[in-house]
Amino acid sequence: DSGVTQTPKHLITATGQRVTLRCSPRSGDLSVYWYQQSLDQGLQFLIQYYNGEERAKGNILERFSAQQFPDLHSELNLSSLELGDSALYFCASSVEAFGGTEAFFGQGTRLTVV
Amino acid sequence: GENVEQHPSTLSVQEGDSAVIKCTYSDSASNYFPWYKQELGKGPQLIIDIRSNVGEKKDQRIAVTLNKTAKHFSLHITETQPEDSAVYFCAASRAADSWGKLQFGAGTQVVVTP
Repeated sequence: DSGVTQTPKHLITATGQRVTLRCSPRSGDLSVYWYQQSLDQGLQFLIQYYNGEERAKGNILERFSAQQFPDLHSELNLSSLELGDSALYFCASSVEAFGGTEAFFGQGTRLTVV
Repeated sequence: GENVEQHPSTLSVQEGDSAVIKCTYSDSASNYFPWYKQELGKGPQLIIDIRSNVGEKKDQRIAVTLNKTAKHFSLHITETQPEDSAVYFCAASRAADSWGKLQFGAGTQVVVTP
């Protein structure tokens, strides 16, 4: 158990809908990352937050947004869902925000868009 | 940006044999190289990492080597066991003056047959 908690584990929704994925980082970790894992794209970095502030953006679509709350949990919001958004979404956390910091992953949320 | 290539994509080994996975990276500023193991239905688990000031690191049956000049690093698993069967990912991130997002390789499916 990495200590990173993601909910829900599975999510099935229809195209055009909006969903929210939730992540609680390891105790003491201030940085949260979101990654998308699909069969054809592998693990892709989406966005990083550190202590409530956005720090880095990767290949995140405009339909997607995230935030980190004062209690350090984070939410990833996916809207106007398309079939191609079906993937595993992972949250990871680390103590620091900078490169070279060990990052620990949650179990992921499997999103299926039908 | 950083590009990480990983080979092979699949690797079948007999129990007790060694397994080697190789990765190359493109960004000379990368200096942190973690390896993750992902079992079916689970999130990536950090198994070992290496920083650019070190050429080799060992942890029991697992070792990682880094060649900064050639920009490649490798994972070595000795005396493989069936529980080593999983997908292994290499990753790279930049120095401490950059944010901690990881660029992942495409993954290697390792199958250890008894």
